[in-house]
Amino acid sequence: DSGVTQTPKHLITATGQRVTLRCSPRSGDLSVYWYQQSLDQGLQFLIQYYNGEERAKGNILERFSAQQFPDLHSELNLSSLELGDSALYFCASSEQGTDTQYFGPGTRLTVL
Amino acid sequence: GQNIDQPTEMTATEGAIVQINCTYQTSGFNGLFWYQQHAGEAPTFLSYNVLDGLEEKGRFSSFLSRSKGYSYLLLKELQMKDSASYLCAVRGRGSTLGRLYFGRGTQLTVWP
Repeated sequence: DSGVTQTPKHLITATGQRVTLRCSPRSGDLSVYWYQQSLDQGLQFLIQYYNGEERAKGNILERFSAQQFPDLHSELNLSSLELGDSALYFCASSEQGTDTQYFGPGTRLTVL
Repeated sequence: GQNIDQPTEMTATEGAIVQINCTYQTSGFNGLFWYQQHAGEAPTFLSYNVLDGLEEKGRFSSFLSRSKGYSYLLLKELQMKDSASYLCAVRGRGSTLGRLYFGRGTQLTVWP
């Protein structure tokens, strides 16, 4: 158990819908990262937040957005969902100093 | 850009030693990480190298040569539970500090 929590564990929805994934970092970690992992793409960095501010952006679609709240939990919003958005979505938080990232258990999103 | 290469698959027998190689070409380098990932689960941190040389941690060791853009993960006394995907990841510098660039992973199968 990494100490990073994610909800829900599984999500099944239809094309065109919108979903919100939630992440709570390890106690004391200020940085939160979101990753998408699909079979054909591997683990892809989406976005990073540090203490409530966006720090870095990867290959995140315009249909996707995220935020980090004052209590440091983060949400990833996915809208106008397409079949190709079906994937595992991981959140990670990092410890200060080494910046080692610890991953949550992930949310498996299935878009039908 | 970032380019991280590792073999797609490897097999080995229980009790043996296996070496998983990773080569990288990145526009900036600030550390290399190895993660283990069982199917459908979260990546789990194994090791971190930022200076050249060997880091040993129990049955696992990781080596880094920054001048060659090369790392390897050495697994000794293999056990069945070591069957998993092993991900090599490089951390960027400057504006990409903190974000990890992952290879596609090496699927290791350990046979009895």
